[in-house]
Amino acid sequence: NAGVTQTPKFQVLKTGQSMTLQCAQDMNHNSMYWYRQDPGMGLRLIYYSASEGTTDKGEVPNGYNVSRLNKREFSLRLESAAPSQTSVYFCASSEGGIRNQPQHFGDGTRLSIL
Amino acid sequence: RKEVEQDPGPFNVPEGATVAFNCTYSNSASQSFFWYRQDCRKEPKLLMSVYSSGNEDGRFTAQLNRASQYISLLIRDSKLSDSATYLCGLTGTASKLTFGTGTRLQVTL
Repeated sequence: NAGVTQTPKFQVLKTGQSMTLQCAQDMNHNSMYWYRQDPGMGLRLIYYSASEGTTDKGEVPNGYNVSRLNKREFSLRLESAAPSQTSVYFCASSEGGIRNQPQHFGDGTRLSIL
Repeated sequence: RKEVEQDPGPFNVPEGATVAFNCTYSNSASQSFFWYRQDCRKEPKLLMSVYSSGNEDGRFTAQLNRASQYISLLIRDSKLSDSATYLCGLTGTASKLTFGTGTRLQVTL
């Protein structure tokens, strides 16, 4: 049982390059999330998808786009990478709904922008 | 005021000690509460949900105080393997989880 799978695990980009971070879950969860984690800042929500076909901005959406490709997959795209986007990115999923919805995380993508 | 606040620590405790962390929140409409554990350079993993009546899982006890708007995590008989960062998370009226910045625990011999 893989849970939440993120690819790639590591990536180095140059400023201005674009890339897509992939995330897939095999738990039949309705909701999926993208976070970034920076030292001293905790986990900050970038975008989330409460259910297939919907996406919403989180706390720090600028510079990112997302696609909920189907129920399993939720991708995060950086159109023109900036050094400020150097971070560890986590994808998560949950059953959805307001109550009792713990999230399950992928093991992260470490992204460096030079 | 931040939506969720935690003391960053570190809390340095000897093995066998009891240690407690609090997490305060500003939104009185918050619905669900969780404690996560995160090891260095790893993903957060759910430690336990926090129920209104309080709940226990082995050496770990979680409590919710809605009147004062905080949740707590108590760890008894600390082990070296408990060393990690503990994140609190809560949901409001939307389908998303907001996290605190975490409290770092270091258990020593």
